[in-house]
Amino acid sequence: ETGVTQTPRHLVMGMTNKKSLKCEQHLGHNAMYWYKQSAKKPLELMFVYNFKEQTENNSVPSRFSPECPNSSHLFLHLHTLQPEDSALYLCASSQVGGRANEQYFGPGTRLTVT
Amino acid sequence: AQSVSQHNHHVILSEAASLELGCNYSYGGTVNLFWYVQYPGQHLQLLLKYFSGDPLVKGIKGFEAEFIKSKFSFNLRKPSVQWSDTAEYFCAVLPSGTYKYIFGTGTRLKVLA
Repeated sequence: ETGVTQTPRHLVMGMTNKKSLKCEQHLGHNAMYWYKQSAKKPLELMFVYNFKEQTENNSVPSRFSPECPNSSHLFLHLHTLQPEDSALYLCASSQVGGRANEQYFGPGTRLTVT
Repeated sequence: AQSVSQHNHHVILSEAASLELGCNYSYGGTVNLFWYVQYPGQHLQLLLKYFSGDPLVKGIKGFEAEFIKSKFSFNLRKPSVQWSDTAEYFCAVLPSGTYKYIFGTGTRLKVLA
């Protein structure tokens, strides 16, 4: 248990569905991240929130929409996804400022788009 | 563009063999360096990190890594692997003053009992 929880752990959705992934961190960190993990590819940074402000959007398609209502919660809203979006979606948090600190990762949501 | 290269994608070793996993990065400024491990079915967790000082860093479970600035490398080592080290290992770089971590593709290690 890292202090970062993600729900659901597994999700199967059709291309016309709308769903949301949820992440919560219990570490008091001020930055939260969404990553996409696909086989044989580096972890792809999707979004970064620092103090609830989105500071990074790595050319992610608009069918992925993040939301960070407070520094402990992060959502990823999904709609009209494509089969190639099937992957493990990881949430992470870190404390920005001062010494470089490591990220703490959640267990991920395994997403399958049919 | 900044990137991290892990040259070994798959490594298979017998127990008690020595391990060295390569990690090179492309960034000219000051960096902070990390190795993460992902055991089967588990979340990514930190093995060790370097941010300043002694370039030889010791981590958990007998792992260590050496930062060689002139080679832009941060290789991971363990003198004697165990079956329980079977996992995927990721190298990551954090340019100083930022919070955008850059990860490598990972190295899948299998240790044969």
